[in-house]
Amino acid sequence: GAVVSQHPSWVICKSGTSVKIECRSLDFQATTMFWYRQFPKQSLMLMATSNEGSKATYEQGVEKDKFLINHASLTLSTLTVTSAHPEDSSFYICSAMPAGGVSYEQYFGPGTRLTVT
Amino acid sequence: LAKTTQPISMDSYEGQEVNITCSHNNIATNDYITWYQQFPSQGPRFIIQGYKTKVTNEVASLFIPADRKSSTLSLPRVSLSDTAVYYCLVGARSNDYKLSFGAGTTVTVRA
Repeated sequence: GAVVSQHPSWVICKSGTSVKIECRSLDFQATTMFWYRQFPKQSLMLMATSNEGSKATYEQGVEKDKFLINHASLTLSTLTVTSAHPEDSSFYICSAMPAGGVSYEQYFGPGTRLTVT
Repeated sequence: LAKTTQPISMDSYEGQEVNITCSHNNIATNDYITWYQQFPSQGPRFIIQGYKTKVTNEVASLFIPADRKSSTLSLPRVSLSDTAVYYCLVGARSNDYKLSFGAGTTVTVRA
């Protein structure tokens, strides 16, 4: 149980184009999902917190107009990288927190490798 | 948000026990302690979570002293496939909850 999927697993796009990454909780409902970015040899950096039915909360320094997040249902959150540039090339990882419960439980997706040429 | 401190790296050999200690001096009453494992180009994988004393599952044990200011992840009889980065996080479910991954501990298991 507690499986999170991401699609696509990798994507190559040209500079200036937009890319959408999907994050799905397959066997549980998630009121909260998180988006991270990870550069080579570095730790995960939280980009934004996505709550179902409301606007995402972005971390300081993350451009909300560039990284559009939509959490339209309890099982799906999407991250759209708009007007991508080579510096946006990174490993993007989402995680989902099951609805209800009291402990801190987060389940991570397998990640999406974005390469902008 | 309680910050964590872990060793940057640890080396071990197959069959040995690996213990990674994480310091979290500012842990709050409602915070849980969770450990994740991450392989290159993969998302982190949940290993174990605890609040106090000792927790054991099929892959690891988590030891938490009474003051909860630190915790130790114990990996019994490691194999080469346990080579990974291990992250310790503390936190609780709340409206303004944020996650903060530290640098993690790179564990290298040698034959």
